[in-house]
Parts: sequence; C-alpha cells; structure tokens
Amino acid sequence: QKEVEQNSGPLSVPEGAIASLNCTYSDRVSQSFFWYRQYSGKSPELIMSIYSNGDKEDGRFTAQLNKASQYVSLLIRDSQPSDSATYLCAVNGNTDKLIFGTGTRLQVFP
Amino acid sequence: DTGVSQDPRHKITKRGQNVTFRCDPISEHNRLYWYRQTLGQGPEFLTYFQNEAQLEKSRLLSDRFSAERPKGSFSTLEIQRTEQGDSAMYLCASSLHSGSWGDTQYFGPGTRLTVL
Repeated sequence: QKEVEQNSGPLSVPEGAIASLNCTYSDRVSQSFFWYRQYSGKSPELIMSIYSNGDKEDGRFTAQLNKASQYVSLLIRDSQPSDSATYLCAVNGNTDKLIFGTGTRLQVFP
Repeated sequence: DTGVSQDPRHKITKRGQNVTFRCDPISEHNRLYWYRQTLGQGPEFLTYFQNEAQLEKSRLLSDRFSAERPKGSFSTLEIQRTEQGDSAMYLCASSLHSGSWGDTQYFGPGTRLTVL
C-alpha cells in the first residue's frame, strides 16, 4: 500500500463547477496535510495546509480532513480553466519530510 | 521578498559526468529540503538540513549523491558519475521551523537534469 494515494485522473469538470479531489494516507500518526498545485513543467505551489479535523476554507478552495478515516480532500468551487493542473496531496508523518501522492490531473473545460 | 531560487534551471550532461546544483532558500528559513520528481510521480524526499546540520537522508539515496549546506544558507546537491536514471527534476524547498510539526515548505523552480 502506498503511503499517500490519489486517483491520477484526469478529472474533467466544466467551467463553474465544483472539482473534488481526494487523498488517503496510511500513517495514522500523520499530523499535517498540504495541497500543492503543479502546472506542467513547473514546481509545486502551495494552495492550502490543514492540521485539524474538519473544513478549512480559503477563497474558492476548501480542504477537508478526517483523521479517523485517514482522508483529506480539496474542493475547488467555481472552477476555471486556469485551475487545470496536477494537484498533489502531501503528508507529514512522524518526520519533517513531506510524502507526496502521485497527483490528480484536473482539466476544466470551457 | 524573494522566494526559493535554484541554479541552473536546466542541465544536460553525459553519463558518467558529475553535476552540482545550487539552492538559495527564503532568507529567514532555517530548513532546506531536496526532493526529486520524475514524470508522472510526486516529489520524492532526498534529504534535509536544519541550518548547517543534515538531519535526514533517504534510504533510497545512492552514495553518488551528496548534499551540503556549509553556512546554513545556500545548499548544493552533487551527483557523481551520473546515470540515465538520474534524469529528473530536482526540487529544493525551504521552511521556517519553529519547533512544532508541519512546517510549510515552499518550493523553488527546480533544476531539470537530463543525462544522455
């Protein structure tokens, strides 16, 4: 079992819709969770971090964490074509390094 | 406020050559990380420093790889006797560690290495 799992996609949504990206992790001691966006050929760019169970909202983005289910998600409201990218889920276990999933490719079509 | 910078941005080398990459972190950040990313995969941890101390190295890191952060500011990553399997994007990230879990890591633009 991979430590951090994401569906590779592509996830295709129409412009203006809600995109829902999911991530599961295996290490129960994980404390910190991050979503990064990565455009093709570029480096990861931080979107959000979340540390506590529940929802955290920042503009059009909402991160959701459920530690009991070992599940973290990212919702993107009012999706725009410029949101088309690969979204990486990253987790801190009991060390300070980040463990990444393989990413979900999101395509937003006009 | 400048972000993380990396140099060079691209490097093409022949198999068997040595290469060295440089990373300059965000100025007040005390932690510096190196990751490697291949096509279709997420970044994979290589090593990290707190100030000048190297605190962890990946078990997957070959002894051909070495990293330094001699004055606790910039870092270099050297790959000796490069192999085609070393072709990847090498990413540097930095963070401000304040003693608790979960530092937010900010990535540089990366160095894309191609080994012919």
